[in-house]
Amino acid sequence: DQQVKQNSPSLSVQEGRISILNCDYTNSMFDYFLWYKKYPAEGPTFLISISSIKDKNEDGRFTVFLNKSAKHLSLHIVPSQPGDSAVYFCAALAAPYSGAGSYQLTFGKGTKLSVIP
Amino acid sequence: EPEVTQTPSHQVTQMGQEVILRCVPISNHLYFYWYRQILGQKVEFLVSFYNNEISEKSEIFDDQFSVERPDGSNFTLKIRSTKLEDSAMYFCASSVGQGDNSPLHFGNGTRLTVT
Repeated sequence: DQQVKQNSPSLSVQEGRISILNCDYTNSMFDYFLWYKKYPAEGPTFLISISSIKDKNEDGRFTVFLNKSAKHLSLHIVPSQPGDSAVYFCAALAAPYSGAGSYQLTFGKGTKLSVIP
Repeated sequence: EPEVTQTPSHQVTQMGQEVILRCVPISNHLYFYWYRQILGQKVEFLVSFYNNEISEKSEIFDDQFSVERPDGSNFTLKIRSTKLEDSAMYFCASSVGQGDNSPLHFGNGTRLTVT
């Protein structure tokens, strides 16, 4: 039961260009979404998040877009840098205050981004 | 920047043995978690812990698993009788609060190999 789906296992982008990583979800109770970056031999590192009351959140080179009606979010990295090469995980949370919420993050399988110099 | 630290980085054990994975969460964080990632699969939630008790646990977290906060700084995951399928990366995480503006901070993981 894949409630969070990252359908592209890998993505290659030239340095300086835009990287777009996509994520779809099926659980309508999710209302908080996060992106994590993971380097080999390290734990996931928080990158950026978005609440369902917003459709866009920006932090430097990273922007996350949320389309609730399509149950789709995307992470844009521009310009892409070789140091961005990592596995990117989309994760979702059903807010506890919703009454049917959950404290557990549900992760996608990840997309391996390779930024080519 | 404060970090979640996990020890050991790699643990090899024989099937049926007990293992304890250790974590030191970030000091002002109140919520603690264990996740695992079997090779080639997604990161999966095991358990969350708050106020000295389990808040939530997944189906994976059966009777062979237990968690403990033995003192003010450590958070441990015990697997009583390891099975081959317990081989995975185990990630500890902590957060200040829940939901918005309280992202989880992960440690670098412990690679558990059960032979």
